[in-house]
Amino acid sequence: EPEVTQTPSHQVTQMGQEVILRCVPISNHLYFYWYRQILGQKVEFLVSFYNNEISEKSEIFDDQFSVERPDGSNFTLKIRSTKLEDSAMYFCASVGGGRETQYFGPGTRLLVL
Amino acid sequence: AQRVTQPEKLLSVFKGAPVELKCNYSYSGSPELFWYVQYSRQRLQLLLRHISRESIKGFTADLNKGETSFHLKKPFAQEEDSAMYYCALSGRGNKLVFGAGTILRVKS
Repeated sequence: EPEVTQTPSHQVTQMGQEVILRCVPISNHLYFYWYRQILGQKVEFLVSFYNNEISEKSEIFDDQFSVERPDGSNFTLKIRSTKLEDSAMYFCASVGGGRETQYFGPGTRLLVL
Repeated sequence: AQRVTQPEKLLSVFKGAPVELKCNYSYSGSPELFWYVQYSRQRLQLLLRHISRESIKGFTADLNKGETSFHLKKPFAQEEDSAMYYCALSGRGNKLVFGAGTILRVKS
């Protein structure tokens, strides 16, 4: 069964550094999402992406964040200048054209020191 | 505002006992409701959605619009049901709004 994959599984970075989190959605899916979960808190929506553009973003998704689908398979989340409070688990999800079930990746645990 | 409330952080039951994980929601339109499960060291995976009205692994959930609830139930808990359970809703735009999650611990 096809799965969403994410790399890296863990990333440690220094405050102020840029990070890129990578996701490979299921191949025929059209809608892509990023969520994050700070330790002990809820899973929160960050951004949705369709047809090569952002369709919705949350208040969390400020100018420090950007998303890209550079090559038709990868879907990336970039944080330009990381802050301590960006430390969280980041989940990618994708949905097919029927917009039914969101399939989640295993997550990337980001730790900002 | 869209909100999902799961009042219990932890629910501990004995094997064979009935389980009910509570979920209440707030949404002005007609949302879709989901239960996602996360077993230890695994990814979030869909358990069931209200539209399909099916039973998965013995779990069922009924949408009660009057009480704005979508409680997850199973008549007889099994040890392999131990996991984190998230209730979520999807409105316009299909983004998911999650509850805080409930840890289900099934004791032998």
